[in-house]
Amino acid sequence: KNEVEQSPQNLTAQEGEFITINCSYSVGISALHWLQQHPGGGIVSLFMLSSGKKKHGRLIATINIQEKHSSLHITASHPRDSAVYICAVDRGSQGNLIFGKGTKLSVKP
Amino acid sequence: DAGVIQSPRHEVTEMGQEVTLRCKPISGHDYLFWYRQTMMRGLELLIYFNNNVPIDDSGMPEDRFSAKMPNASFSTLKIQPSEPRDSAVYFCASSLEGGLWINYGYTFGSGTRLTVV
Repeated sequence: KNEVEQSPQNLTAQEGEFITINCSYSVGISALHWLQQHPGGGIVSLFMLSSGKKKHGRLIATINIQEKHSSLHITASHPRDSAVYICAVDRGSQGNLIFGKGTKLSVKP
Repeated sequence: DAGVIQSPRHEVTEMGQEVTLRCKPISGHDYLFWYRQTMMRGLELLIYFNNNVPIDDSGMPEDRFSAKMPNASFSTLKIQPSEPRDSAVYFCASSLEGGLWINYGYTFGSGTRLTVV
C-alpha cells in the first residue's frame, strides 16, 4: 500500500465546477504539500500546511491531522487549471517528500 | 532570483554513456533535493543535501548513480553507465530550513528529461 494515496486519479470537469481532490496518508507527518504540475512538466508548489486550512485565490487546501487526510478544492474551475495535482507529505523536518501518484485534472470549456 | 536552474532541459544519450545533470539552487537555500519522475513510479526522492552535505541517499537506485554538491550554488547528479530504464524526468528542488515553519520556500527546477537509447 502506498503511503500517500490520492483520489481520483483522473478528473474531468466543466468550466465553473467546484473541484475536490483528496489525499490520504498512512504515516506521521510534519507537513503536507500540494503541488501542481503543468502539461509542460514544470512543478509549482501551491500550498504547504500542517493544520487547518489555507486559501490562495480560487484554491483552498484543508488538512485533518487526526484523520490523516487533506483536500484540495478549486472553486469556479477554469481550463487553465488543467494540470496534474500532486499531494506530498513530509515525515520530518528535512523537507524530503513522499509523493502521491497525482490527480490529472482536465477542465473543459 | 531566477529560481532553481537545471541543465540541460533535454538529454538524449546512448546506453553505456555517462550522463551529468546539473542544478543551481536558489541563493540562500540550504536544502537541495534530487527527484526522479517516471510514469510507473511517479515522483521519487533520490537524495538530498543540507548545507552541501548529503543527508539521505537511500533513494539512489544503484551505484551507477552519484550526486555531489561541491558548493552551495551547484549540484550534479551523475549516471555512469546509463541504461534505458534510467529514462525519466529528473527534478532538482531547493528550500530554506527544509521548507517548513519559518519560510515556505520549496521550489522546483524545470527538470531534465533524460532519454537513454
